[in-house]
Order: sequence, then structure tokens, then C-alpha cells
Amino acid sequence: GAVVSQHPSRVICKSGTSVKIECRSLDFQATTMFWYRQFPKQSLMLMATSNEGSKATYEQGVEKDKFLINHASLTLSTLTVTSAHPEDSSFYICSRARPTYNEQFFGPGTRLTVL
Amino acid sequence: LAKTTQPISMDSYEGQEVNITCSHNNIATNDYITWYQQFPSQGPRFIIQGYKTKVTNEVASLFIPADRKSSTLSLPRVSLSDTAVYYCLVFMDTGRRALTFGSGTRLQVQP
Repeated sequence: GAVVSQHPSRVICKSGTSVKIECRSLDFQATTMFWYRQFPKQSLMLMATSNEGSKATYEQGVEKDKFLINHASLTLSTLTVTSAHPEDSSFYICSRARPTYNEQFFGPGTRLTVL
Repeated sequence: LAKTTQPISMDSYEGQEVNITCSHNNIATNDYITWYQQFPSQGPRFIIQGYKTKVTNEVASLFIPADRKSSTLSLPRVSLSDTAVYYCLVFMDTGRRALTFGSGTRLQVQP
């Protein structure tokens, strides 16, 4: 079964509004989780690394004030897209590492459409 | 993380064996080779991982030559449901680092 869940699976919002996406680790406490973004027909691009109890680490070119990440517990990381614009429309995917194994589990993704 | 190169797309028919080769010339000694599968509007899913020689599971086989500078994902007797994007990644220790995805190979299986 799924070990990483995301909510919502899809969201449509108006330009200027904020949207929160939740990523939950269902079977393991994750001190580190990752957020990726994927545009149509393109590969996954890392946006930020979410660290429990501390600030997230953002990749170059990703606005930290626009994409707010909160990792308040060991099982939940949230990504809030603030003042969303149509160009923020994308597929957002989170992941976490699999303990003692050299791989990651990915969530099912959240499709964001900004009108 | 080692850079990987794989074909952009491949076409196949149901029942055929599909082999997708990935080049990773600068693979490090401790790196593992991992393949993920991604269906449209879904997150990537782990398929198989190997370090050297051959690895086989219920889904696929992974062939790795002695120099480890390339690898081949083999999908036996593909079906329409195998239509997806396949990513080859080379890395170790993902507990603290994110994965770097290349362009992947878009496999289209036709009836």
C-alpha cells in the first residue's frame, strides 16, 4: 500500500489565492521530505527539502516566500503556494527516503490549476 | 549525483521484450543504479535497483556490465499498461539528498 499520501489530489483555484498541499508519511517518521514540481511533458524538478523542526532548503530559483514549506511533525510536510498565478499550475510531488534502503517513496502527486 | 543519458522515447508492441539502456559514465564507486516508472498524473514508482551484474524481480531485470558505465532495464513481454516514462537514476544514500531526474524514456506500447 501507499506509504506517502498527498492531499488534495487535484485543486483548481483563482489567481491570487493561496493553496496548501499536504504530504504525509504513513508508515515511518520522516525527518526529511522532498518537494518536486513537474510541468507537462517534463521531468521532475526538485523545489525544496523539507526538514522537520527547521527551515526548508530551497533550490536556486524557487521563491521561498511564495512556496512556503512547513514540516511541523515527523509525518507531515505542507507546501503552501501563496498568491498563486497561472504559471504556478503544475504537478507537485513529495517524497521521503525509505529507511535502510537506497531509494525514495513518492506521493501520488497534486495537480494544481490556477485560473 | 551522476548524470544519466537515456533515449527520449521508445515504441513497442504488446508481448515484446523492451530494453532501455542508460548511460552513466561518471558513476561513483558507491553509487547504485535505480529505475523508476511514472504513469501520467502519478508519482514515480520504484522498479528495480542494482549495483553490478544482473538483478531480477517480478517486474523487470536490470543488466549492469562490469564497468558499470551503463545499464539496461529489460521489461519482458510488455503490455499496454507498461506505457509510461522510465527514469534511470544513479545515486546512493537518499536519506538526506533529493533525487535528480533526467529526461527519462517515454515508452509507448501499442496493441
